[in-house]
Amino acid sequence: KAGVTQTPRYLIKTRGQQVTLSCSPISGHRSVSWYQQTPGQGLQFLFEYFSETQRNKGNFPGRFSGRQFSNSRSEMNVSTLELGDSALYLCASGPALSGDTQYFGPGTRLTVL
Amino acid sequence: AQTVTQSQPEMSVQEAETVTLSCTYDTSESDYYLFWYKQPPSRQMILVIRQEAYKQQNATENRFSVNFQKAAKSFSLKISDSQLGDAAMYFCAYRGPNTGNQFYFGTGTSLTVIP
Repeated sequence: KAGVTQTPRYLIKTRGQQVTLSCSPISGHRSVSWYQQTPGQGLQFLFEYFSETQRNKGNFPGRFSGRQFSNSRSEMNVSTLELGDSALYLCASGPALSGDTQYFGPGTRLTVL
Repeated sequence: AQTVTQSQPEMSVQEAETVTLSCTYDTSESDYYLFWYKQPPSRQMILVIRQEAYKQQNATENRFSVNFQKAAKSFSLKISDSQLGDAAMYFCAYRGPNTGNQFYFGTGTSLTVIP
């Protein structure tokens, strides 16, 4: 079974631009979560989607948004990029909401110049 | 928010030896899940081991085992017969049904394996 895939793997943007990252979960998984990883803040939860509904959201500004499609693929969007948005963005998928192991993708490395 | 603490930023171990990574957490939930993930230089987060809080038996996966002390809110990872491929950043994570089901991660322990 194929793992979680994320595209693109690397991205360079400039301040003020917007970006869309994509995540394809493991086949059959309906829960998709997004995390931001930075050296200073570590791993921080962005949001979780289940069956196309956002079930939980972390403490990030409204510039960060996401969605999930009927095939469970998910996208996250960051508008008006800031230098501090430079990070590794990780997507994780799981079969259901509670307690199941989530499997991570390889991440998208976003650099904002 | 739940707090997960990894007090050892860096650890090293000789190849073939045993090392224990520490993790403590704070929660008021009685039912939850604990995980250890490994992040090698490739940055891919890989599940090492999972523990369900209602199970008293410590989880084991080949050379990896945990010491789960629920009352003490402690969840340490023991790596036996360490191999060069075990070198990575190790993250302890908490996930609970009443806290949004998100992972709460510790700050990580960087493990070096010395040949």
